[in-house]
Amino acid sequence: SQQGEEDPQALSIQEGENATMNCSYKTSINNLQWYRQNSGRGLVHLILIRSNEREKHSGRLRVTLDTSKKSSSLLITASRAADTASYFCATDLPTSYDKVIFGPGTSLSVIP
Amino acid sequence: EAGVVQSPRYKIIEKKQPVAFWCNPISGHNTLYWYRQNLGQGPELLIRYENEEAVDDSQLPKDRFSAERLKGVDSTLKIQPAELGDSAVYLCASSRLGRAYEQYFGPGTRLTVT
Repeated sequence: SQQGEEDPQALSIQEGENATMNCSYKTSINNLQWYRQNSGRGLVHLILIRSNEREKHSGRLRVTLDTSKKSSSLLITASRAADTASYFCATDLPTSYDKVIFGPGTSLSVIP
Repeated sequence: EAGVVQSPRYKIIEKKQPVAFWCNPISGHNTLYWYRQNLGQGPELLIRYENEEAVDDSQLPKDRFSAERLKGVDSTLKIQPAELGDSAVYLCASSRLGRAYEQYFGPGTRLTVT
């Protein structure tokens, strides 16, 4: 069963625009992570946000977390063609020691 | 630092044949994960090892899947016999103990069962 659901499933934007994707989850979490997967590659860890944090930045990435709404958003600013990839949120639960559950992902296409 | 290594990258087999995947995790990472990723979906955990012990194999179809992690380093995932529905990408990941929130993934093995 999937804990997280990303929205939208697919997103297409022009280079230079901002891309926003959302993740909703069902139960309380310890941490929420975002991963990127380029075509034919493994996942790459982008950023971690803990349940007691509300916002984190890493370069062009901005992640927010709203535990009252059980949702998170990933914003990529000034997108580049190289940002074309699938993005997954993953959550680890207080009740499931060391287990992370991935959502189905958002497919982002950045058009040059 | 070398990343997670997996082989082979691609495998095409006929149904009912056996297949094996190999993974070498990042040095010092005691926890190793095997995931299956179907097209358009996120990875789903098959089995998690802490050192040589399988601590979570609840999602591993044990009638046909098996895994081992001898000496707590490399790991092998086997399917015997393969079915058409096993076609997927099999991903290996590793992390430091207690840091499941920061996993490092290999490139995966794309399995096609015909």
